[in-house]
Amino acid sequence: GDSVTQMEGPVTLSEEAFLTINCTYTATGYPSLFWYVQYPGEGLQLLLKATKADDKGSNKGFEATYRKETTSFHLEKGSVQVSDSAVYFCALSDQEGGSYIPTFGRGTSLIVHP
Amino acid sequence: DTEVTQTPKHLVMGMTNKKSLKCEQHMGHRAMYWYKQKAKKPPELMFVYSYEKLSINESVPSRFSPECPNSSLLNLHLHALQPEDSALYLCASSQDWDPDSGYTFGSGTRLTVV
Repeated sequence: GDSVTQMEGPVTLSEEAFLTINCTYTATGYPSLFWYVQYPGEGLQLLLKATKADDKGSNKGFEATYRKETTSFHLEKGSVQVSDSAVYFCALSDQEGGSYIPTFGRGTSLIVHP
Repeated sequence: DTEVTQTPKHLVMGMTNKKSLKCEQHMGHRAMYWYKQKAKKPPELMFVYSYEKLSINESVPSRFSPECPNSSLLNLHLHALQPEDSALYLCASSQDWDPDSGYTFGSGTRLTVV
């Protein structure tokens, strides 16, 4: 079945540091890929998405590129802020798996210190 | 309106109580979802409604009873819950069965069963 593997957290960074959160996936078909963010005490928000190979999703300074050859969708940001502290979930939605329900990774907690 | 609104935000209930969680969206989304999220875990799918009909029940115990009165509203009726049912309950919606559009999540109801 489909699965998403994320790096284990927490990831702890100083403000203005470079961020990478790794995400790899396995899927039966050709999935769409997503990053969701969950701030403390809130629901999940769609951060960015990519629907085909080599697409780059971007939003709020975050970006991720759909790499089919390495089955990866790593999240990056050039300069993190304290306000980016949250849990980040990588997810896929596979059209050929018989269901459009997304498969979520375990989540990676990001802590940014001033 | 691009939001999913959930009420109440917090709920404490005894094991013999009956309560309901409510979810509302006015984006014209025809698929709506209930998820359960435990601390430091990804959300777990409970139910999916598509065009106001229950299409997926992920083997959820009968003490959880979903209802979709119309295309904008989704309820989750709770009865005889157990302490282990304490969690964040998230509602989400999406554009029909379009896997590329991503989900819009509500902020959730924090449920504590005592």
